[in-house]
Amino acid sequence: DTAVSQTPKYLVTQMGNDKSIKCEQNLGHDTMYWYKQDSKKFLKIMFSYNNKELIINETVPNRFSPKSPDKAHLNLHINSLELGDSAVYFCASSQNSGGAETQYFGPGTRLLVL
Amino acid sequence: GQNIDQPTEMTATEGAIVQINCTYQTSGFNGLFWYQQHAGEAPTFLSYNVLDGLEEKGRFSSFLSRSKGYSYLLLKELQMKDSASYLCAVLDSNYQLIWGAGTKLIIKP
Repeated sequence: DTAVSQTPKYLVTQMGNDKSIKCEQNLGHDTMYWYKQDSKKFLKIMFSYNNKELIINETVPNRFSPKSPDKAHLNLHINSLELGDSAVYFCASSQNSGGAETQYFGPGTRLLVL
Repeated sequence: GQNIDQPTEMTATEGAIVQINCTYQTSGFNGLFWYQQHAGEAPTFLSYNVLDGLEEKGRFSSFLSRSKGYSYLLLKELQMKDSASYLCAVLDSNYQLIWGAGTKLIIKP
């Protein structure tokens, strides 16, 4: 019954590794997002996809690559992990991208890079 | 630049009323959201204002003044479970959400 789900919930890894975080929504929404929330609690948008197409791509290192195989899934792959990548990553979805749509958030993935 | 300001932390007493303010300066305005985030959890939607005035929803109310670039979230009859961070977010002219850093609300018995 979970609306927006993410896996894994916790991820501890070494610097330099490559890791992926998966996100799925069963709300039938067209738009999905990836956010990074750092230790200061700012939510920063990283990417947004609408119907599998990239519509927002903020200034994010190209080590981060989103992939949307279908509109219900938006995965995030991170290459060559760095210490500064440690944060909580939230996936979210909304009905569409063109209006004042409420975003529904996944439970978050707590990434710790050692 | 775009800016959302909220107090970092507030403390209130169980049963009391608290008002959390948010001021914003954004490129365009298409509405303002309030989200609640408990520690270690995801943000959850509380309210959306796009017209001036007060919107009441149970113990929570949200107010907007577009001319002043100002909103507040009013929480009445505070309960311990209301201890959380409250995030203000503004939808700009491109329909992108600009987030504040959140206000951590601590409720004391």
